[in-house]
Amino acid sequence: EAQVTQNPRYLITVTGKKLTVTCSQNMNHEYMSWYRQDPGLGLRQIYYSMNVEVTDKGDVPEGYKVSRKEKRNFPLILESPSPNQTSLYFCASSLSVPAFGNTIYFGEGSWLTVV
Amino acid sequence: KNEVEQSPQNLTAQEGEFITINCSYSVGISALHWLQQHPGGGIVSLFMLSSGKKKHGRLIATINIQEKHSSLHITASHPRDSAVYICAVKGTSGSRLTFGEGTQLTVNP
Repeated sequence: EAQVTQNPRYLITVTGKKLTVTCSQNMNHEYMSWYRQDPGLGLRQIYYSMNVEVTDKGDVPEGYKVSRKEKRNFPLILESPSPNQTSLYFCASSLSVPAFGNTIYFGEGSWLTVV
Repeated sequence: KNEVEQSPQNLTAQEGEFITINCSYSVGISALHWLQQHPGGGIVSLFMLSSGKKKHGRLIATINIQEKHSSLHITASHPRDSAVYICAVKGTSGSRLTFGEGTQLTVNP
C-alpha cells in the first residue's frame, strides 16, 4: 500500500529541547516536502527536496532543518523548538514536482505542542 | 492579498444539494490541486488539473486558465462529504506549492 508515514503523531515538548519528526515514503518518490498548518493561515511549505541531497527552503523555513540522505526518508528537525512552532505538521511526497500528473500523497500529520 | 483565494470559507448544505467551492489565484500556474482534509486531519488528493475538467464519481473539478479560476463541484452531497477542501497551485517555475486557506464544508442529513 502506498504510504507516507510520519512519527510521532502527537508530541508535547518543552522549549529548547531538540526534536525530530520522521517521514518515510514507500513509493520511490523523488519529491518530498514538509508543511505546517495553522488556523487562519492554511498550509505553508517549510522545506522541500527534489531528490537525495537536494533540499530547498519553502515559505517558512526559519527554525527548521531537514536532510535527505536516502530517497525514502525526509526528517524534519527542530533544533531549539519555540512555542510559535506549535502546529500541525504534514509530510508529503510525489513522483516528481507536484504537477504534470504527479499526485501528492500526504502523511497523517503530526500534532506538535511546544510549551 | 493571498496568491490563492478560496470562497466561501464556510459552507453548510443539506444532503442532496449541489455544492460549488471556488478558487482564484493571481500567478501563472502549471498545475492546480484540489485536496480534501478529513475531520481527523488527514489530507488526500482529489484532483490535479492543468486545463479543462475532471470528474470522479460525484466530484467535478474545472479550471479556466485565462480567468485564473477553478471550481470544485459536488453533486448529490452527502454528510460524509463534510470536510475541509483545499486548493493549491504550483507556479510555472520552481517546485513549491501555494495553498488556499480552505473551505469548511458541512453537509447536514
